Amino acid sequence: AQSVTQPDIHITVSEGASLELRCNYSYGATPYLFWYVQSPGQGLQLLLKYFSGDTLVQGIKGFEAEFKRSQSSFNLRKPSVHWSDAAEYFCAVGPRSNDYKLSFGAGTTVTVRA
Amino acid sequence: EAGVAQSPRYKIIEKRQSVAFWCNPISGHATLYWYQQILGQGPKLLIQFQNNGVVDDSQLPKDRFSAERLKGVDSTLKIQPAKLEDSAVYLCASSPGPTKTTSTDTQYFGPGTRLTVL
Repeated sequence: AQSVTQPDIHITVSEGASLELRCNYSYGATPYLFWYVQSPGQGLQLLLKYFSGDTLVQGIKGFEAEFKRSQSSFNLRKPSVHWSDAAEYFCAVGPRSNDYKLSFGAGTTVTVRA
Repeated sequence: EAGVAQSPRYKIIEKRQSVAFWCNPISGHATLYWYQQILGQGPKLLIQFQNNGVVDDSQLPKDRFSAERLKGVDSTLKIQPAKLEDSAVYLCASSPGPTKTTSTDTQYFGPGTRLTVL
């Protein structure tokens, strides 16, 4: 069965510092990969997605993610964090078929300190 | 472009009562999803509609949960009777779909309804 693991439940980072959120997946074949962000009281917003091609994907708000097939990972990065990046981040996978169902990780909460 | 609308935003009920949530997807979006997000977990898909037909309801607890999408636009999710473990945020999402490979469809999420069952 497919699964998504986000090993870090909570990360605290200083404003201006770099951020990396980890995501590992277990899947029969390379799935489609997504990162979503959820601010308090808000719905999920898509940051970026990987379907094929270049394994380094650029997203909104200055985020990027790198797909590493050998490690079954899709880690999210941002070079310099802003206070507004404080939120919960979810990694998700979906199958390469019309039998579509997103599976989400448990999420990583990011706190930004001044 | 208006986003996905959900109401109410918050609901508190006693166990064994019934409750209904409403979702209005982005105009023109054919596919609509309901997710349950329990505190500390990622969202879990409950049901997926394409137009007014059900595509996947394998994780919907059908003994107490029901959902409909009449006319292929708005949707309601109902819980009757509610249990304590139903306390969660219920998210509605929509996507343009259908596409050749539905997985490439971007889902747009509403703000959710936070349900507390006492």
